[in-house]
Amino acid sequence: DSGVTQTPKHLITATGQRVTLRCSPRSGDLSVYWYQQSLDQGLQFLIQYYNGEERAKGNILERFSAQQFPDLHSELNLSSLELGDSALYFCASSVEVVDSPLHFGNGTRLTVT
Amino acid sequence: LAKTTQPISMDSYEGQEVNITCSHNNIATNDYITWYQQFPSQGPRFIIQGYKTKVTNEVASLFIPADRKSSTLSLPRVSLSDTAVYYCLVVLNYGGSQGNLIFGKGTKLSVKP
Repeated sequence: DSGVTQTPKHLITATGQRVTLRCSPRSGDLSVYWYQQSLDQGLQFLIQYYNGEERAKGNILERFSAQQFPDLHSELNLSSLELGDSALYFCASSVEVVDSPLHFGNGTRLTVT
Repeated sequence: LAKTTQPISMDSYEGQEVNITCSHNNIATNDYITWYQQFPSQGPRFIIQGYKTKVTNEVASLFIPADRKSSTLSLPRVSLSDTAVYYCLVVLNYGGSQGNLIFGKGTKLSVKP
């Protein structure tokens, strides 16, 4: 158990809808990262937050947004969903010191129909 | 950014030692090298990290030559349960904080009986 909790585990929705994915980081970790993994694809970095502030941005679509709250949990909001947004969405956390590893949750599997 | 290159796939048999090499020609002086393992439909799991020479833990060894332009993950006596995708990352060192946690395609290791 990595200590990172993601909810829900599965989500099925229709095109055009909006969903929110939630992540609770490991106790003591200030950084949260979001990744997207489509079928047979590598992990695509979306965005990173550190102690409530956006720290780095990857290939995140404008339809997607995220935030990290004062209690350090994070939410990833996906709107105007398209079929191609179907993927596994992973959250990871770390203390962000350079030699500290990322701890990943088990992901949220999003299916857009 | 320090780009990594690793083989797309490798095959092995149970009980053999497996070495996966990653090249990172433009690694910077203070950057770290980290390896993760991912099973299907699970989040990646940290395996090992190093800066130079050799690092060993209960799971694997990491060999880094003096020029640090490559690294080799060594898995001793693999079993069927080691079948997974292995990712090599170069973690940028921003004054002690980590950056560039961008995963490549990884190496898909298949262990056969």
